[in-house]
Amino acid sequence: GENVEQHPSTLSVQEGDSAVIKCTYSDSASNYFPWYKQELGKRPQLIIDIRSNVGEKKDQRIAVTLNKTAKHFSLHITETQPEDSAVYFCAASHLPGKLQFGAGTQVVVTP
Amino acid sequence: EAGVTQFPSHSVIEKGQTVTLRCDPISGHDNLYWYRRVMGKEIKFLLHFVKESKQDESGMPNNRFLAERTGGTYSTLKVQPAELEDSGVYFCASSQFFRGAYTEAFFGQGTRLTVV
Repeated sequence: GENVEQHPSTLSVQEGDSAVIKCTYSDSASNYFPWYKQELGKRPQLIIDIRSNVGEKKDQRIAVTLNKTAKHFSLHITETQPEDSAVYFCAASHLPGKLQFGAGTQVVVTP
Repeated sequence: EAGVTQFPSHSVIEKGQTVTLRCDPISGHDNLYWYRRVMGKEIKFLLHFVKESKQDESGMPNNRFLAERTGGTYSTLKVQPAELEDSGVYFCASSQFFRGAYTEAFFGQGTRLTVV
């Protein structure tokens, strides 16, 4: 089955700096890669996703890149703000709804 | 529009007892999923309903776990008897078909289960 590795497990950045989280996946059939953000005490929420026919997608300060050959994808957050502090989960899927998640990255943005 | 709601938000039970978790998906969403996160590890897939049918239950840990979705609306996940290793946060999510594709999965806030 699919296996998703996520690094780093924790990430501390200064406000205004960039944050990068990397994930690798094992199943070459995976074609959907969402990123979820979970703030303390709240539900995981989709912040961006990418499908395998696209190499990069951007939404304001957030971007995701996908390298299908190397089977890895990354989340980039630019100009980080304190409200970006949260746990971020990457996931991969080739079966509708059956998301295989990474272990999560605790991001702390210090003012 | 109400999101995915889960009850209870927290549950503390003793080993050997039974617990039932409930999930109300977003109205009209045919797809309902259960996931679990144990002790800071990854969120793991448990099973997937399409309406009232179990589409995929390959992630269910063992036969102490029973999920139902009678009528294709809300779902319950029963753990009987509960063991210590069942402790974790149980998430429910729902999604819909739109133009032949699945929409994003919307998550509930989770039920934190502690077995003592």
